[in-house]
Amino acid sequence: AQSVTQPDIHITVSEGASLELRCNYSYGATPYLFWYVQSPGQGLQLLLKYFSGDTLVQGIKGFEAEFKRSQSSFNLRKPSVHWSDAAEYFCAVGAGGYQKVTFGIGTKLQVIP
Amino acid sequence: GAVVSQHPSRVICKSGTSVKIECRSLDFQATTMFWYRQFPKQSLMLMATSNEGSKATYEQGVEKDKFLINHASLTLSTLTVTSAHPEDSSFYICSAKILGDKSSYNEQFFGPGTRLTVL
Repeated sequence: AQSVTQPDIHITVSEGASLELRCNYSYGATPYLFWYVQSPGQGLQLLLKYFSGDTLVQGIKGFEAEFKRSQSSFNLRKPSVHWSDAAEYFCAVGAGGYQKVTFGIGTKLQVIP
Repeated sequence: GAVVSQHPSRVICKSGTSVKIECRSLDFQATTMFWYRQFPKQSLMLMATSNEGSKATYEQGVEKDKFLINHASLTLSTLTVTSAHPEDSSFYICSAKILGDKSSYNEQFFGPGTRLTVL
């Protein structure tokens, strides 16, 4: 069965600083990987996804992620964080014939002035 | 485009009553809808996969008689929590896939969630 580990439950960064959120996955075949963002009391919005091809994926809101098969990782990055980026971020891996998606526990991002 | 709504956004009920949550795709037809449950400070846990016109597929450990799912049309799926108890209090989120999208792992569009509190 697939699984996702987000080792950082809570991260605080200063506005304008760079950001990297870690994600490691476990899956027996080529994974289908996602990053979602959730604002308080809201649903999830897809930031980016990796299915195949270029391992560096560009997403919305200036985010990018890099798939590294050797490290089983799919870390999310942003060069300069804005206060509006404060939210919870979920990494997810997809597998199975009916597109079952397994989510990580999430990383809560706090942005300080 | 690709907007999913949920109703109600918040509901408080007494223990032993039943609560129905609606999930609607507003501007597209959805072959498949998913229901998730999210506890505070925890991840989303898939409860069931709902296909229009057929029985829902429940994940292991989810009581199908307690969490009734009906996917009556290509734009509506409902989750009914029967005989709710305080331990059913949670944040319930649905998502939907677009009909006709042949990509194997295309995007799921998420609703805003429903906060259920059982007293």
